[in-house]
Amino acid sequence: GENVEQHPSTLSVQEGDSAVIKCTYSDSASNYFPWYKQELGKRPQLIIDIRSNVGEKKDQRIAVTLNKTAKHFSLHITETQPEDSAVYFCAANSGYALNFGKGTSLLVTP
Amino acid sequence: DSGVTQTPKHLITATGQRVTLRCSPRSGDLSVYWYQQSLDQGLQFLIQYYNGEERAKGNILERFSAQQFPDLHSELNLSSLELGDSALYFCASSVGAGGGLTDTQYFGPGTRLTVL
Repeated sequence: GENVEQHPSTLSVQEGDSAVIKCTYSDSASNYFPWYKQELGKRPQLIIDIRSNVGEKKDQRIAVTLNKTAKHFSLHITETQPEDSAVYFCAANSGYALNFGKGTSLLVTP
Repeated sequence: DSGVTQTPKHLITATGQRVTLRCSPRSGDLSVYWYQQSLDQGLQFLIQYYNGEERAKGNILERFSAQQFPDLHSELNLSSLELGDSALYFCASSVGAGGGLTDTQYFGPGTRLTVL
């Protein structure tokens, strides 16, 4: 089945800096790549997604890039704020299912 | 609030027991997905139902089963519970069936299962 690798597992940045989280996937048929943010004890919430027909998508301080040839995609958060602190999960579809990376715990320190 | 509801919020039970978790999808969504989240395994896809039919299966144990009812709510049944089954169980819903035109999955608040 699909294997999604996510790095790093933890990331600590200072407020105002940028954060980058990278994921790789194995199923060349994958065409949908969402990113979820999960705060402690809460549900995962979709923050941005990208489909395989585009290479980049941006929404305010968040952007995602996709390289289908290399089978990797990345989340970029600019001008980080303390409220960005959470666990971020990438995912890739494989057939009807979504397979998730193991998550990146992001800590933004003031 | 995603519009997906799950009950109960918390469940504490003993090894060997059986429990049922319930999920109601967002209005208009036909697919329900079940995920298990434990500390060391991240979000593991268990199973998907679309309009009452099983559509995809992930790493679901034989001791676990699920179904989706005509009103589209879904139940996840966990039997012969073991300590290692302690986890957060999320359901998610989406409008369509997934696949090549995979649409957004919206997650419920989860059920925290503790097996003692």
